[in-house]
Amino acid sequence: DTGVSQDPRHKITKRGQNVTFRCDPISEHNRLYWYRQTLGQGPEFLTYFQNEAQLEKSRLLSDRFSAERPKGSFSTLEIQRTEQGDSAMYLCAGGASTDTQYFGPGTRLTVL
Amino acid sequence: GQSLEQPSEVTAVEGAIVQINCTYQTSGFYGLSWYQQHDGGAPTFLSYNALDGLEETGRFSSFLSRSDSYGYLLLQELQMKDSASYFCAVRDTGGFKTIFGAGTRLFVKA
Repeated sequence: DTGVSQDPRHKITKRGQNVTFRCDPISEHNRLYWYRQTLGQGPEFLTYFQNEAQLEKSRLLSDRFSAERPKGSFSTLEIQRTEQGDSAMYLCAGGASTDTQYFGPGTRLTVL
Repeated sequence: GQSLEQPSEVTAVEGAIVQINCTYQTSGFYGLSWYQQHDGGAPTFLSYNALDGLEETGRFSSFLSRSDSYGYLLLQELQMKDSASYFCAVRDTGGFKTIFGAGTRLFVKA
């Protein structure tokens, strides 16, 4: 157990709906990452926070995706107007170092 | 851009030793990380090499050769529970983005 929690663990939604996921890292994790993973692939970087500052965001990410980490603790990832191609596992990882990341259990999103 | 290559699948027998290779192409380099992921689970950090050589942690060891842009993960005394996917990862040059390989699926047979 890495101490990183994510909620919900599963989300089923209809195309066009908005969804929001939450990640709670442990207090020592000043760095927080969001990834997307599809079957048979490695995690794909979405965005990075250092404390409350969002320092990097994937250029592959459309404007429908947004993330926040308002107090440098928990983080949320919102997907607006979901599409079937958004179906994936969304992983959050925390850490005190970029090279050692501790992943949460993930949120599996299914868009119908 | 940066890319990593690793074999898609490896099969080995319980009790044996297996090596999972990773080659990378980067314009800059900080170090190579390894993660394990069981089916339905999240990736778990295994090791990180910033300098050339072998790092040992129990049954798992990781090796890096910066001059060859190559690393490997060595698993000894294989157990059935080692059946999982293994990912190598590097940090993007000049940023915080972490790039993962597509993963190597390890099957351990009795």
